[in-house]
Amino acid sequence: AQSVTQLDSQVPVFEEAPVELRCNYSSSVSVYLFWYVQYPNQGLQLLLKYLSGSTLVESINGFEAEFNKSQTSFHLRKPSVHISDTAEYFCAVSDGENTGTASKLTFGTGTRLQVTL
Amino acid sequence: KAGVTQTPRYLIKTRGQQVTLSCSPISGHRSVSWYQQTPGQGLQFLFEYFSETQRNKGNFPGRFSGRQFSNSRSEMNVSTLELGDSALYLCASSWGGSYNEQFFGPGTRLTVL
Repeated sequence: AQSVTQLDSQVPVFEEAPVELRCNYSSSVSVYLFWYVQYPNQGLQLLLKYLSGSTLVESINGFEAEFNKSQTSFHLRKPSVHISDTAEYFCAVSDGENTGTASKLTFGTGTRLQVTL
Repeated sequence: KAGVTQTPRYLIKTRGQQVTLSCSPISGHRSVSWYQQTPGQGLQFLFEYFSETQRNKGNFPGRFSGRQFSNSRSEMNVSTLELGDSALYLCASSWGGSYNEQFFGPGTRLTVL
C-alpha cells in the first residue's frame, strides 16, 4: 500500500518570495512521483515528475522538486512565486515496480498556495 | 490535440437516483482512470480501464461502476445516489503504465440533494 502526506494544507506567501511545499510518501515498493496543480474549477495538470535518474526535476515555469529516497520526500520549491501560481498543489505516487499493469495515482490531501502582493 | 473531455460538467440529482458520467480520452490513449474529489476525503481513485478491461479498483462500494468502449471512451455509473456522493468526478487518460503522465479532464460536478 502507498500513502502520501502533504504536511501543509495552506501556504500563504508574498509575491516574489520563495516557497517550499512539502511531500512525504510511504510505500513498500519503489514509486514514481508526481506533482500536479489544480486551478479553480479546472482539472489537474502535471507540473513535474520523477521516474528515475537525476533526483532534481524541473518544470518549465520555474518549479523544481528533489527526490530524497532516504527521507522518502519529494518537496516542491520555487525561488520566486508569482500571483498566477495561486492554486492547489497535489503530490502523488504510482507503483514503480508493476509499471506495465495499472495506472493508479495515490494523492496527498493537497496544499493550497496563496500568493499575495 | 484535443484534451480529455467530460460530460456533463454539472449535474444535480436527488437521493436514490442514478447517474452516468462520460469521459472521452485523448486520441490514442487506452487507459482511462476515474477519481472522486471531495473536500473531506481529497482525491480518491475509483477505477481504471485499459482496452475495455477494468485493471484496478479503489475502495468504493458496488454502487460505483464503470465501463470502457472499444474507442476508449469511458462511462461511470453511480446507482442509488447518497448525499455523500456529491463530489467532483475527474477522469484521466494516459497511454497506460504507472510511469505515464495522466491527463485530466475538467471534471463533472455532481450535487446530490
